[in-house]
Amino acid sequence: GENVEQHPSTLSVQEGDSAVIKCTYSDSASNYFPWYKQELGKGPQLIIDIRSNVGEKKDQRIAVTLNKTAKHFSLHITETQPEDSAVYFCAASSPGRRALTFGSGTRLQVQP
Amino acid sequence: EAGVAQSPRYKIIEKRQSVAFWCNPISGHATLYWYQQILGQGPKLLIQFQNNGVVDDSQLPKDRFSAERLKGVDSTLKIQPAKLEDSAVYLCASSLDTTDTQYFGPGTRLTVL
Repeated sequence: GENVEQHPSTLSVQEGDSAVIKCTYSDSASNYFPWYKQELGKGPQLIIDIRSNVGEKKDQRIAVTLNKTAKHFSLHITETQPEDSAVYFCAASSPGRRALTFGSGTRLQVQP
Repeated sequence: EAGVAQSPRYKIIEKRQSVAFWCNPISGHATLYWYQQILGQGPKLLIQFQNNGVVDDSQLPKDRFSAERLKGVDSTLKIQPAKLEDSAVYLCASSLDTTDTQYFGPGTRLTVL
């Protein structure tokens, strides 16, 4: 089955800096890659997603890039703000199995 | 539009007791998922429903876990009997039949003593 690895497990940045989180996946059939933000005591919230027919997608300060050949995708957050502090999860799914396989999470801390 | 609703939000039980969680998906969402999230880990799929039929329950510990989705809307997840290692957050998610985007509820935090 699919395996998703995520790095780093923790990331601390200064307010205004950029943050990058990286994930690799194992199943070449995977074609959907969402990113979720989870705050303490809440469920995961979708922040951006990308499909395998696209190499990059941007939404304001958040961007995701996908390299299908290397089977890795990354989340980029620019101009970080304290409210960006949370745990971020990458995930992957394939057409035959829509259920998501999640990475282990990255705890992002933005220092004011 | 209302999001995915779950109840209760918190539950504390002793081992060998039984417990049930309830989920109401977003209106019109045909696909419903239950995930288990152990502290410090990413969510892991327990079971996936398409309308009221089971699509994937390969990772559901069927000797103690059961789930149903009556009339293709609400769903309940039951654990009987509970073990210490079942302590986790149980997340419900739903999606439209034709899309991959999953929306998550707030989860139920289960503590087994």
